[in-house]
Amino acid sequence: DAKTTQPPSMDCAEGRAANLPCNHSTISGNEYVYWYRQIHSQGPQYIIHGLKNNETNEMASLIITEDRKSSTLILPHATLRDTAVYYCIVRPFLNDYKLSFGAGTTVTVRA
Amino acid sequence: EPEVTQTPSHQVTQMGQEVILRCVPISNHLYFYWYRQILGQKVEFLVSFYNNEISEKSEIFDDQFSVERPDGSNFTLKIRSTKLEDSAMYFCASIGVIYAAFFGQGTRLTVV
Repeated sequence: DAKTTQPPSMDCAEGRAANLPCNHSTISGNEYVYWYRQIHSQGPQYIIHGLKNNETNEMASLIITEDRKSSTLILPHATLRDTAVYYCIVRPFLNDYKLSFGAGTTVTVRA
Repeated sequence: EPEVTQTPSHQVTQMGQEVILRCVPISNHLYFYWYRQILGQKVEFLVSFYNNEISEKSEIFDDQFSVERPDGSNFTLKIRSTKLEDSAMYFCASIGVIYAAFFGQGTRLTVV
């Protein structure tokens, strides 16, 4: 699976948008970008995934660059409850559904 | 909303004892997983299970570990003879039609 690079940490003000970058320069054509988060040692929580089009759901938006070498997860209005470790994971859509977690980005939302 | 349920939430066991961690995946999901997370470290894949058999396992998943789905609803992870280094959070996950994994809240295993 392609490797991802994320900043180790970032702060965000409550109520503002949080933009979380992820680099995946070796992504291949059949690999999707998945985002998960983990709040204080709870089980990881699925957020969103995409292939090449931008995606939006009730939790977040995912922007994938045209060359697919990087993506940005956007939390539109961060709340204190969004404080968590966010993981960007690249994985083939079919075959081998296991997830390879890196260190992720520790996001701290401040009041 | 359907969720993955794990029991117990916390298990303390003596070194050398057997433990069984239990999971009830989301019904109609077909792919099941165990992951673990040692305190302060990354979430690590242990094993995947599909069609009543192991489809993939990591190097961590040695002969001391086993999984089964005895009754079509429960999914268990057994550690035959626990070691101190097995102390970790163990997460069960299942995958459904959108191929996103849904995780349980985990079992904290403490080996003393």
